[in-house]
Amino acid sequence: GAVVSQHPSRVICKSGTSVKIECRSLDFQATTMFWYRQFPKQSLMLMATSNEGSKATYEQGVEKDKFLINHASLTLSTLTVTSAHPEDSSFYICSARSGTGGVPGANVLTFGAGSRLTVL
Amino acid sequence: QKEVEQDPGPLSVPEGAIVSLNCTYSNSAFQYFMWYRQYSRKGPELLMYTYSSGNKEDGRFTAQVDKSSKYISLFIRDSQPSDSATYLCASRTYNTDKLIFGTGTRLQVFP
Repeated sequence: GAVVSQHPSRVICKSGTSVKIECRSLDFQATTMFWYRQFPKQSLMLMATSNEGSKATYEQGVEKDKFLINHASLTLSTLTVTSAHPEDSSFYICSARSGTGGVPGANVLTFGAGSRLTVL
Repeated sequence: QKEVEQDPGPLSVPEGAIVSLNCTYSNSAFQYFMWYRQYSRKGPELLMYTYSSGNKEDGRFTAQVDKSSKYISLFIRDSQPSDSATYLCASRTYNTDKLIFGTGTRLQVFP
């Protein structure tokens, strides 16, 4: 089945530094990838939609200058958290559209394993 | 009001029990309904995917959608300790990939 790989799985950084998280579709091409954030005991919240070769679309309330997204190829999207602060500590998960799952009109999303960011 | 509401649990059941997990939603435009399973510190894994109202069965899992009452259910028969995880319901409208997730219900199946 479709696999989405995310790296690193865990990162600890100092406040003020930038962190880059990679999301790769391993056995399929993904023109669109999605970045989610999950705080403890809360639901996944969509941050932005990453489109290959064009600018990402950000959800309301998400700072695009802080969370830089680059989707340079059909298999790779990156999320860079710039000038990270402790409140940015969270679980970041990417996903990619990987098929229809047999349901008409459906777009099945495959998720990566997530990246846990801790900002000290 | 959240668009998708889900009881966070935790729900603890003995091995072999039938588990019922539920969500309610408020957006009548939702057409697709999904259940994901998420193990600790891992990304969500798609379990069931249904369109509009009705039932869908896959092995020990049955997904049920009642659009008239805006109610989504997942039933797990003969539950196993390996089913212990957080179960997330999610919904979306027809013309978007944007999934709206519930908070997830943590399930523990003890031997």
